[in-house]
Amino acid sequence: AQSVTQLDSQVPVFEEAPVELRCNYSSSVSVYLFWYVQYPNQGLQLLLKYLSGSTLVKGINGFEAEFNKSQTSFHLRKPSVHISDTAEYFCAVIRGYGGATNKLIFGTGTLLAVQP
Amino acid sequence: DAGVIQSPRHEVTEMGQEVTLRCKPISGHDYLFWYRQTMMQGLELLVYFNNKAVMDDSGMPKDRFSAKMPNASFSTLKIQPSEPRDSAVYFCASSSESGQGSNYGYTFGSGTRLTVV
Repeated sequence: AQSVTQLDSQVPVFEEAPVELRCNYSSSVSVYLFWYVQYPNQGLQLLLKYLSGSTLVKGINGFEAEFNKSQTSFHLRKPSVHISDTAEYFCAVIRGYGGATNKLIFGTGTLLAVQP
Repeated sequence: DAGVIQSPRHEVTEMGQEVTLRCKPISGHDYLFWYRQTMMQGLELLVYFNNKAVMDDSGMPKDRFSAKMPNASFSTLKIQPSEPRDSAVYFCASSSESGQGSNYGYTFGSGTRLTVV
């Protein structure tokens, strides 16, 4: 079975400060990893994804994430946040292509609260 | 492409009534997923289809929920009878198994906010 753990339910940060949102996964096979963002009263928007290749993945809005297989982590980072980054961020995992299942499993989410 | 389209955006219904949520996936996508989002449980996968066939409905309460995909461009999630605990935001998503590489991923609809009173 695979699961996703987001260690922080809420991360408060001041505007223009750096931020890291943590995500760890558990899986016995190779995985694809995703970060989604959900703004208030809206749907889920894909920020970035890791499928293969370079372990440093760059996404939209200045976010990036690093896949670390030995630590089974996929932490999301941004060097300088804006007020508009305030949203819920979800880490998600899917078993690698070729498996019998194609389910996207989400973590519990981290609320990024950017303060002026 | 218009993306994944869900209707209605909001639904308020009385307990015991039937509710039908609708989803149109992205053309060419062969996977369709129904998720439910609540404060308590987060995002839960209810059911998903591959080429219109149910692949896994283990997350769906089968006594009152039913999901159908009569053709490649339309799916419904029906709740009968509805209960207050069904109040949630229901998301539909689609993806393509054949879309490997940089195109691989899920696209979500805007969701249906269901309130059962």
